[in-house]
This record gives sequence, C-alpha cells and structure tokens, in this order.
Amino acid sequence: DTAVSQTPKYLVTQMGNDKSIKCEQNLGHDTMYWYKQDSKKFLKIMFSYNNKELIINETVPNRFSPKSPDKAHLNLHINSLELGDSAVYFCASSHTFRDYAYNEQFFGPGTRLTVL
Amino acid sequence: AQKVTQAQTEISVVEKEDVTLDCVYETRDTTYYLFWYKQPPSGELVFLIRRNSFDEQNEISGRYSWNFQKSTSSFNFTITASQVVDSAVYFCALRPFTGGGNKLTFGTGTQLKVEL
Repeated sequence: DTAVSQTPKYLVTQMGNDKSIKCEQNLGHDTMYWYKQDSKKFLKIMFSYNNKELIINETVPNRFSPKSPDKAHLNLHINSLELGDSAVYFCASSHTFRDYAYNEQFFGPGTRLTVL
Repeated sequence: AQKVTQAQTEISVVEKEDVTLDCVYETRDTTYYLFWYKQPPSGELVFLIRRNSFDEQNEISGRYSWNFQKSTSSFNFTITASQVVDSAVYFCALRPFTGGGNKLTFGTGTQLKVEL
C-alpha cells in the first residue's frame, strides 16, 4: 500500500536521450507535483497539477513536459537530456489547497537521474 | 516573494543530547503554512508537521517539539534525547494559505548527525 510511487528509482542515460519518469498516488489527492533536488540537496518545485490542469510551471525548460492522464498519475517526460538535468526528482501529492485541513504534501521515494 | 532560511548547514551531536534546528522565513502573506520534512539517508521525504500561521501554539510529539514565533518569523524544531535514527537532513518549508498553487518553498536543509 504505497502512497506515492515513482518508477524507476534509478535512471542512468546518455546526453541527448529522451526519458520518462512515472508517478502514481493512491491517496485520493487531486493535486500532484514534481520537485527537483540538486546535488546540494536544494528542493525546488517544477510543476503542479490540480485535477489534470497545470497550475504551476516554475520556469522549467520546455524540454520537460508533465503529463497527467488522470488525477492519480503525473508523469514527467524529459527530451534531449543534458548533464545539468542530473538530480533527484520527487513526485508529491496533496489535497487541493482549498481543503486546508489536510493539505500537506506526501512525497514519492524519488528518482535519481544521472545523465552521462 | 517567499524565502526560508536554515542557517545551520550541519549539526553534529552525541546521542541523548537535545538539539534545535532553526528555521526563519520571509513572506508578505498574512496567513500561511509552515512545514518540517525529514530526509533520512535512504532519500525519501517524510512529512513531520504542518503549522498554520494563525495558530501559534507550540506542539510536542514524543521527542519532537516545535516552537512557532510569528513575531520573529521563526519555526524551530527541537529533538529531545536525540538518537542515531534521527540522523537525516531536515527541511523547513513555507506555503501560502491560499493561492500560489500549493507551492512549497523549502529551506536549504540542515544535516543532523547523531553519533554514539
């Protein structure tokens, strides 16, 4: 009964390739997120989706494209991978901000992406 | 703009010592949420606590306690009688009460090392 799951956990690839990371949550949340954690452990939001609608796009290069087929899934596709894309990518989910009583974000286990 | 500062990059303590992790934040919002997350060596992000800006009551949960002081824009976290299992990176985060797409702004984290 994993709450927020991501696949794969590790991803090693060559520069220039295209790759995807999948995320699924079974918490019944309607908002999902992608965060990037760099080598210095700094966490920064990339995208936020509410009910499959893009809410936040935080100046991320357009090589990154999130796709939300339904409320329980938010996948991240990255085109033309660059060395600087190497990081840990976390998916998260929460209830919508209107439901303020239970709005903490729950994170997946992370995907460590290494671009060679 | 929102900002979270965790001035302590790394703290080392001996088991059973008490330790306080500092968090100072900046926001123009009058209402907001504050959070603490733990990232153990295994890498996942674990939610610890959420605090609303209009509730300044301190909270204790077992060996953990949190001191929220709106007057000094601080939300400090104390671990009493630390244990080796407390070794982790701890993140403080800030979020608007409404709007902003539920965006969490994280501090840079404090690495806590608890030694025997």
